[in-house]
Amino acid sequence: EADIYQTPRYLVIGTGKKITLECSQTMGHDKMYWYQQDPGMELHLIHYSYGVNSTEKGDLSSESTVSRIRTEHFPLTLESARPSHTSQYLCASRANGGNQPQHFGDGTRLSIL
Amino acid sequence: RKEVEQDPGPFNVPEGATVAFNCTYSNSASQSFFWYRQDCRKEPKLLMSVYSSGNEDGRFTAQLNRASQYISLLIRDSKLSDSATYLCVVNKGSNTGKLIFGQGTTLQVKP
Repeated sequence: EADIYQTPRYLVIGTGKKITLECSQTMGHDKMYWYQQDPGMELHLIHYSYGVNSTEKGDLSSESTVSRIRTEHFPLTLESARPSHTSQYLCASRANGGNQPQHFGDGTRLSIL
Repeated sequence: RKEVEQDPGPFNVPEGATVAFNCTYSNSASQSFFWYRQDCRKEPKLLMSVYSSGNEDGRFTAQLNRASQYISLLIRDSKLSDSATYLCVVNKGSNTGKLIFGQGTTLQVKP
C-alpha cells in the first residue's frame, strides 16, 4: 500500500475563495498526478509532474494550478473557486522506473456554493 | 471513440457466480495494463496488473490480447464484498507514466 495523503477530505466553501488542496507522499516517487472525477464518470488527468520544478497540464483543461517545490509535496490551487469546480480531486504517485501502477490518496471532495 | 472502452453494466450476479468483464483500448503503443477497483465515493485501488501471458490472483484472473487490444477480468466465486466498480486502465504508451482510465464496470453481488 502506498503512503500518499490528501487533505482536506471534504471542503465546502463559498464562491470566490482561494483554495489549496494538499497532497503528500513519503516514498520518494518522482511522478505525481492530479485527477478530477465527477460522480459516475471516469477519472480525468488535470496535472502531472515528473519531479521537482516539473509540472505539466493534463488531458482535461483545468483552471487550477500546481507546484512541485519538494519531491514529496504536490499541492493544487484554485485562485477563485466557482460552483463548476465542484468535484472529487484525486492525487496519485507512482514508483520510478518500469511499468509501475499509480497509487491514490483518499481524495478531496470539493463543493463550491 | 474513447481510448478505453468498458461496458458500464451494472452486472447483477448472485453470490458464488463467475463473472467476466471486458475492455478494449485504442492505443497500440500501450505497454502497461491494470485493473483497479473503486468503491462508491472512494479512491481507485489497484486490483492487479495484467501481463501478456495472463495472470491470476486468488479468485481473480486477468487476460491480455494485444492483437485485438482487449483485456479481460474474470472473478470466480463472487462475494458480496466484490460489489464495486472495476476500472480498466492502460498507459499512454510513452514514458510519462500517464494512465487512461475506463469509465468502469459496476458489479453488484446479491445474496
